[in-house]
Amino acid sequence: TQLLEQSPQFLSIQEGENLTVYCNSSSVFSSLQWYRQEPGEGPVLLVTVVTGGEVKKLKRLTFQFGDARKDSSLHITAAQPGDTGLYLCAGATSGTYKYIFGTGTRLKVLA
Amino acid sequence: DTAVSQTPKYLVTQMGNDKSIKCEQNLGHDTMYWYKQDSKKFLKIMFSYNNKELIINETVPNRFSPKSPDKAHLNLHINSLELGDSAVYFCASSQQGAGYGYTFGSGTRLTVV
Repeated sequence: TQLLEQSPQFLSIQEGENLTVYCNSSSVFSSLQWYRQEPGEGPVLLVTVVTGGEVKKLKRLTFQFGDARKDSSLHITAAQPGDTGLYLCAGATSGTYKYIFGTGTRLKVLA
Repeated sequence: DTAVSQTPKYLVTQMGNDKSIKCEQNLGHDTMYWYKQDSKKFLKIMFSYNNKELIINETVPNRFSPKSPDKAHLNLHINSLELGDSAVYFCASSQQGAGYGYTFGSGTRLTVV
C-alpha cells in the first residue's frame, strides 16, 4: 500500500514562529501537491511541484520537492493565525490514476 | 461562481434509509471523484469518473453507487445507510488526470443515527 506520511501530525505554535511540515514516502511521485483545508470546507490547492529539487514560494510559504521525488516539505515563515488549518500533501505515482493523500498535519497558530 | 458545488452540505438520516449527494463542476474538467474523509481527517478515494466512464472503484460497499449523467455531474447514491457511513464526503474534479491537483467541493457531512 502506498503511503504518504506527514509529520508532525499536530502542531501548535505562537504567531511569528517558523515551522516545517514533512511529507515522506517510499514511492516516487510524478508530481506532488500541497493543500490547506479549513474547518467546514474542502481542501484548497496551494502548489504543485513536479521536478526533483524544485522549490516554490507562495508569500511566506516555501515548498520543496525532494531530489528523488519521494518526499516534500512545506516551510512557513512568521506564521499567522490565518495559517491555521489542516495541511495535506498528495501525489500520484507515475503511470497511475491513483492519487493518494498524506496523513495530514493540523496546524494551529495562536495570536 | 462556485467551481465544484455539492449538495446538501449537511445530511442527517436514520439507519436503513437511502440518500443521494449531488455534485456539479463548471470548470470543464474531464475527471470527477468522490472521497470520504474520516474522523481522523484522512481522505480516501471512493470512485473516479473520466468523461462519464468509471475508472476507479475502490473497495467500497456496493451500497454506494455513483452515477455520472454527463462529465459535469457526478452523484453518489447510498442505500441502506449504516452508522459507519457517517463521515464527510467530498466531490472533486481535475483536468488531465491528477497531475495538476484537484478542485474540491465544500463537502457533505453525513450523520447516520
